[in-house]
Amino acid sequence: NAGVTQTPKFRILKIGQSMTLQCTQDMNHNYMYWYRQDPGMGLKLIYYSVGAGITDKGEVPNGYNVSRSTTEDFPLRLELAAPSQTSVYFCASSRLGTGGVETQYFGPGTRLLVL
Amino acid sequence: AQTVTQSQPEMSVQEAETVTLSCTYDTSENNYYLFWYKQPPSRQMILVIRQEAYKQQNATENRFSVNFQKAAKSFSLKISDSQLGDTAMYFCAFMGAGSYQLTFGKGTKLSVIP
Repeated sequence: NAGVTQTPKFRILKIGQSMTLQCTQDMNHNYMYWYRQDPGMGLKLIYYSVGAGITDKGEVPNGYNVSRSTTEDFPLRLELAAPSQTSVYFCASSRLGTGGVETQYFGPGTRLLVL
Repeated sequence: AQTVTQSQPEMSVQEAETVTLSCTYDTSENNYYLFWYKQPPSRQMILVIRQEAYKQQNATENRFSVNFQKAAKSFSLKISDSQLGDTAMYFCAFMGAGSYQLTFGKGTKLSVIP
């Protein structure tokens, strides 16, 4: 299993540009998440999904959109990039076990720089 | 809302020695999960250890163990026989039993000195 994969690894955007961060998992996990990590901080939840066709906002959703058309994929869309969106973005997934939602497994991250 | 506090921004330990990283949290929930994640310079987030709040026994994973004090809302990580590969940021995280969201602390930067 590849686990959780993310592309690209690094990207530079100009202010106002748009881009999509890709995330794919091959573990057949129900739940998927997008986090951002600012320098010197822990991760903050942007959006999450409990299954195909179902998404919901996390702590910091402004400026982002998501979709979940398949179990495997959970892309994150930035429509009008702003310098405040400079960050490292992590995708994660987890499954629903008998004891509830289980451990989240993370992708390698995408570093985004908005200039 | 839950909060997670890691009061040690940086720590260092000699190779082969033992080090303890502190974490406290605030919640009104009775059932929840606590995690320690390791983030090496590669930035990959790696699960170190997980603790269910309903379990009184402290979790252990090889050289890693926790001291879970539910009443005190404390969840410290002990690393025994520290190795150079343990050099990383360590994040404590909380998740309510009925929630999907992980709440992270700000992290502790651990350096293992040869």
